[in-house]
Amino acid sequence: EVRLVESGGDLVQPGGSLRLSCAASGFTFTHYWMTWVRQAPGKGLEWVANINQDGSTIDYVDSVKGRFTISRDNAKNSLYVQMNNLRPEDTAVYYCARDLGDYTNYAAYWGRGTLVTVSS
Amino acid sequence: IVLTQSPATLSLSPGESATLSCRASQSVTNYLAWYQQRRGRAPRLLIYDAFTRATGIPARFSGSGSGTDFTLTISSLEPEDFAVYYCQQRRNWPWTFGQGTKVDIK
Repeated sequence: EVRLVESGGDLVQPGGSLRLSCAASGFTFTHYWMTWVRQAPGKGLEWVANINQDGSTIDYVDSVKGRFTISRDNAKNSLYVQMNNLRPEDTAVYYCARDLGDYTNYAAYWGRGTLVTVSS
Repeated sequence: IVLTQSPATLSLSPGESATLSCRASQSVTNYLAWYQQRRGRAPRLLIYDAFTRATGIPARFSGSGSGTDFTLTISSLEPEDFAVYYCQQRRNWPWTFGQGTKVDIK
């Protein structure tokens, strides 16, 4: 069974930093692109960042470029996002998701999410 | 690419059919998916490449369309189908979602 478990969400002040983690199990982690998607409270979904199987190809949505860094540790079956210079508009539930396969860029499996709140 | 979903809300009764629309600001060929999000839950992939059902998705969910106009049809709504539905394109980065259509109980 595919399982994705996010952690690291917290209340942080504007300008602060946070690192989210996603522990993956139930599939061969090294075979899949991984993704972070976020959802502001009461709002829709936003695809934040992608990373390929070996971490050599990474994409970011413009709103986080230069502030967020996605990474993965294949030895630990884990996905991360380092979030710096956080803004109130970064407040959201952050979901870790696994690609459907073969770089289809559809999020086939999702974690339950972790809440990041940016507020003074 | 901007995806516009309509209607914003669809009020229906169990057993009725639902037709949800997603329009893209430019062609996404058939690179479009539909997701279901129940209250308090993570989204779930229903349909990808416009009409292919994901693993384990019941046959009452069907997708159609290509280019800029897409439809998700739910035939005979079950109680668990009352949720928010999002479309997503992967034609051009950044991948984007529509704003969602809420299907609620009439």
